[in-house]
Amino acid sequence: ETGVTQTPRHLVMGMTNKKSLKCEQHLGHNAMYWYKQSAKKPLELMFVYSLEERVENNSVPSRFSPECPNSSHLFLHLHTLQPEDSALYLCASSQELQGLYGYTFGSGTRLTVV
Amino acid sequence: QKEVEQNSGPLSVPEGAIASLNCTYSDRGSQSFFWYRQYSGKSPELIMFIYSNGDKEDGRFTAQLNKASQYVSLLIRDSQPSDSATYLCAVNGGGGATNKLIFGTGTLLAVQP
Repeated sequence: ETGVTQTPRHLVMGMTNKKSLKCEQHLGHNAMYWYKQSAKKPLELMFVYSLEERVENNSVPSRFSPECPNSSHLFLHLHTLQPEDSALYLCASSQELQGLYGYTFGSGTRLTVV
Repeated sequence: QKEVEQNSGPLSVPEGAIASLNCTYSDRGSQSFFWYRQYSGKSPELIMFIYSNGDKEDGRFTAQLNKASQYVSLLIRDSQPSDSATYLCAVNGGGGATNKLIFGTGTLLAVQP
């Protein structure tokens, strides 16, 4: 496996379900990110982790709970979501926080809340 | 003032023409500049990066950077329908309060056959 891998690729969940999105990077990067992208909308930064420590949380509702157990793995735990949370969720990683060398994105998880 | 600004488009060009995409940024301390391509429903893909003033060419793509004017652009020569996508400009924070890569909202490019 190379690059940034996200699973699952597609997820349909009810509003009362609990699910988790997984991201794994094989690049030796030190920073990882969760973005949300609603249909035809710009990227919205949700969370930033540097060396497993959360360094940014952009006013994201508590129904989204990130977890970074080590520098290669990032999770986004979901519970009691709303239909407006349906979106493409993108994970990204970078060598360091300032993005001097850019970010590498995973393929994303297409989430539908019913 | 937005930190990274792009015209949302759509920018429509005929096949074979040159597409010119523009981006301005606010942080004078920024050092790294990137162009990502994002097809509908897909994740962003890095296509060009530039660190120094001037032009950088890679195949049909040319990135241009003018730090004095805080302006970065992407030229796509001999545009193809497969180039139709949203192009995101990204600029790294200058090390101050903005300590990450900042993305513009993207320009939608439509290449007409």
